[in-house]
Amino acid sequence: AQSVTQPDIHITVSEGASLELRCNYSYGATPYLFWYVQSPGQGLQLLLKYFSGDTLVQGIKGFEAEFKRSQSSFNLRKPSVHWSDAAEYFCAVVPGGSNYKLTFGKGTLLTVNP
Amino acid sequence: GAGVSQSPSNKVTEKGKDVELRCDPISGHTALYWYRQSLGQGLEFLIYFQGNSAPDKSGLPSDRFSAERTGGSVSTLTIQRTQQEDSAVYLCASSLVRREQYFGPGTRLTVT
Repeated sequence: AQSVTQPDIHITVSEGASLELRCNYSYGATPYLFWYVQSPGQGLQLLLKYFSGDTLVQGIKGFEAEFKRSQSSFNLRKPSVHWSDAAEYFCAVVPGGSNYKLTFGKGTLLTVNP
Repeated sequence: GAGVSQSPSNKVTEKGKDVELRCDPISGHTALYWYRQSLGQGLEFLIYFQGNSAPDKSGLPSDRFSAERTGGSVSTLTIQRTQQEDSAVYLCASSLVRREQYFGPGTRLTVT
């Protein structure tokens, strides 16, 4: 079955430290890939997306993600975390060529210590 | 520009009552989606509209759930005879065809 795995349920980092959130997917072909962020009581905000082309994609708020086909991964990174980055992060995929029915990972809750 | 809007933001209802949740997509977005977010199940797809048609209703959990979209714009998700397990945040999203989805703030439904 098609699935998205975010192995880390909760990550704590210090402000100013680097961050990497992991995402692995299980699909037959390369899907479209997304990262969304959700602050408490808010909807989902799109951070970045990958459809094709350059495997390193830049997003908003200083985030980037790298698609690695050989590892079926799409990890999210930020070189220096700010306290305002504390939120829940969701990786999501759709089958390539049919952009609907997002399948989400379970999410990673990020806590930022001062 | 204006994003996706949803109303109400919060809804408390008694078990057995019907509820209607509304979604206003981004202007010009032909695709509209409903998802449900609950503690136990995470984020789940419910239904997809392309224009006023719903080619994929596979995520609707029971026949108590229905949705419609009119004028290629506003959508309403209706839950009949609500049950406690329907308590969740209902999220709406819209997109251009085969593009990224933009989400609204959600409606938090509590069934007492």
